[in-house]
Amino acid sequence: GAVVSQHPSRVICKSGTSVKIECRSLDFQATTMFWYRQFPKQSLMLMATSNEGSKATYEQGVEKDKFLINHASLTLSTLTVTSAHPEDSSFYICSAAGDLPYTFGSGTRLTVV
Amino acid sequence: QQQVKQSPQSLIVQKGGISIINCAYENTAFDYFPWYQQFPGKGPALLIAIRPDVSEKKEGRFTISFNKSAKQFSLHIMDSQPGDSATYFCAASIGGGTSYGKLTFGQGTILTVHP
Repeated sequence: GAVVSQHPSRVICKSGTSVKIECRSLDFQATTMFWYRQFPKQSLMLMATSNEGSKATYEQGVEKDKFLINHASLTLSTLTVTSAHPEDSSFYICSAAGDLPYTFGSGTRLTVV
Repeated sequence: QQQVKQSPQSLIVQKGGISIINCAYENTAFDYFPWYQQFPGKGPALLIAIRPDVSEKKEGRFTISFNKSAKQFSLHIMDSQPGDSATYFCAASIGGGTSYGKLTFGQGTILTVHP
């Protein structure tokens, strides 16, 4: 089956620094990738949608200058949280779609201290 | 109109029982309805999905029932096991054919199966 690899699984960073999260589709071409944020005991909240080679489309209320998304190839998308603050601490999940329907990564637990 | 409403918020079932989770949607343009299972600290995993041209789909112990006129769909887990204890999300999207629009998720149901 389809596999999406997301790294790192956990990251702790200092306030003010930037963190990059990678999402790779291992066995299929992902024309579209989605980035979600999930708070404890809540549903997934879509942050942005990216198509390979195009600029990402951000959901209302999501700061595009803070959450930089790059989808440079059909197998890799990255989310960079810039100038992270404690309120950015959350569980970030990517999802890829293309030849196969949505497949989710295993998530990244970001803690900003 | 993009909402998907899920109930109940939490569900406790005895081992061997049937777990039923319901979802309702408003946007009639939705054409792909998946259910996901999520364990703590992990990403959601697809359980089963249905398109609106069928009323029921079964895969192993999991069954989706779909009522297009009522704009409702439900997940039935037969012979529930303690290992099924997880959070379940329904979702819906437009373009479930060759292109995949963004998923709209329900609020989630925390299922606990007692041994």
